[in-house]
Amino acid sequence: DAGVIQSPRHEVTEMGQEVTLRCKPISGHDYLFWYRQTMMRGLELLIYFNNNVPIDDSGMPEDRFSAKMPNASFSTLKIQPSEPRDSAVYFCASSNVPGQGGPEAFFGQGTRLTVV
Amino acid sequence: GQNIDQPTEMTATEGAIVQINCTYQTSGFNGLFWYQQHAGEAPTFLSYNVLDGLEEKGRFSSFLSRSKGYSYLLLKELQMKDSASYLCAWRGNAGNMLTFGGGTRLMVKP
Repeated sequence: DAGVIQSPRHEVTEMGQEVTLRCKPISGHDYLFWYRQTMMRGLELLIYFNNNVPIDDSGMPEDRFSAKMPNASFSTLKIQPSEPRDSAVYFCASSNVPGQGGPEAFFGQGTRLTVV
Repeated sequence: GQNIDQPTEMTATEGAIVQINCTYQTSGFNGLFWYQQHAGEAPTFLSYNVLDGLEEKGRFSSFLSRSKGYSYLLLKELQMKDSASYLCAWRGNAGNMLTFGGGTRLMVKP
């Protein structure tokens, strides 16, 4: 498997614009996670899905953030409208159901978002 | 991260041994993870402990004490390529999500 695939790798956008980040999890993984990483706050969980269903979105900072998982092989994280404080690296990760395969989550290479 | 603490930075010498500590507080616990993250790259999995004791994997070992809410990552025979951030994370009983600490940036010097 190619691992977790994210696109784009880098995104520079102007304040107020809509941003869509994409993720393809590892085939067969039932869990998908969206994390955000900044120097100040470290790695924070935004939302996670189990079998395509959002389970916990308490980490989503504001209504400007939304995430979807229309099928087992694709998820999006959307920010509308974007603000400079949204600048961060956004990681997608996927994992097996506990007890099936290894316990660890595998991370994609991340999307570095800069909002100017 | 909330309820999980680790030192911000550490420095060690090539060939030496270094121990990175992590303390956590959680009401429901289902595993402690260590990840390595090189600058500009994704976190990669190093180790996992769910029971008390030491897990050894080559030059890296990880220890867990659930009663003390304490773990450490031990790196032996340090190499320059070990310079990276090391992230401690716990998994709770609800769901499969990880809560990460702020990471410890390790600098290995010649």
